[in-house]
Amino acid sequence: QVQLVESGGGVVQPGGSLRLSCAASGFTFSNYGMHWVRQAPGKGLEFVAFIRYDGSDKYYADSVKGRFTISRDNSRNTLYVQMDSLRVEDTAVYYCAKDRGVTVATQMADYWGQGTLVTVSS
Amino acid sequence: DIQMTQSPSTLSASVGDRVTITCRASQSISSWLAWYQQKPGKAPKLLIYKASSLESGVPSRFSGSGSGTEFTLTISSLQPDDFATYYCQQYHTFLYNFGQGTKLEIK
Repeated sequence: QVQLVESGGGVVQPGGSLRLSCAASGFTFSNYGMHWVRQAPGKGLEFVAFIRYDGSDKYYADSVKGRFTISRDNSRNTLYVQMDSLRVEDTAVYYCAKDRGVTVATQMADYWGQGTLVTVSS
Repeated sequence: DIQMTQSPSTLSASVGDRVTITCRASQSISSWLAWYQQKPGKAPKLLIYKASSLESGVPSRFSGSGSGTEFTLTISSLQPDDFATYYCQQYHTFLYNFGQGTKLEIK
C-alpha cells in the first residue's frame, strides 16, 4: 500500500533553515508528481510546492518562492523540501502528498503522509 | 488569484441528516474542483475530483456537483464517521488553493 513518511521537522529560529524529507513506498515513485502542503495550527490547508515526476518542473506558492526548494531523488524514492530564511509564519504541519496522475500532473493529492511539525520561534 | 469561499464555516447536524456544503470560486474554474475530508490530527483524504467524480473507495453517500463558480458537496445520510472538516480545492490554476474549510459537528 502507498506510504509516505515525512521527517525532519522541529524547532528552528527565525532566519534559520530546515530540510524535510518524505520517504515513499508502495507505488512507482518516479511516475508521479509530488506535493508539499502545509497547515498552520488551527488553520486551513495551503499549497507550498509541487515537483513533476521527473523533476523537470517545480512550482511554488508566492509565500515561499525564493526561500524554499523542492527536490526529489527517484533512486531513493524520496521527496525533499529545503526551507531557508524561515519566518514565524512558516510554522505549520508539513504534509507530503502524491499526485493523482501518472506522469501527468493533476494537481490533486490522493495519498498524504502523516505530516511533520515545523515550529519557527525565537 | 482565485479565491475559494466555503459556506457555512461550521455546520451542526445529526446522524442520518442530509447536509450540503457550498464552495464558491471568485472566477470560473470549469469543473476543476476537488473535495477533501480531514479529521483532527490526521491527513486530508480525497473524496471527490472534477467536481462530481467519486474517488475510489469513498462511500456513495458522498456526492459533488457544480461547475463554473459554484459547487456543492452533499452527504446524503450522515454517519458518525463523517464528522470532520471538509475542504474544497481548485486546480484550474497550477498554483492551486483551498477553501477555508467547513467543520461538520454533531448536533
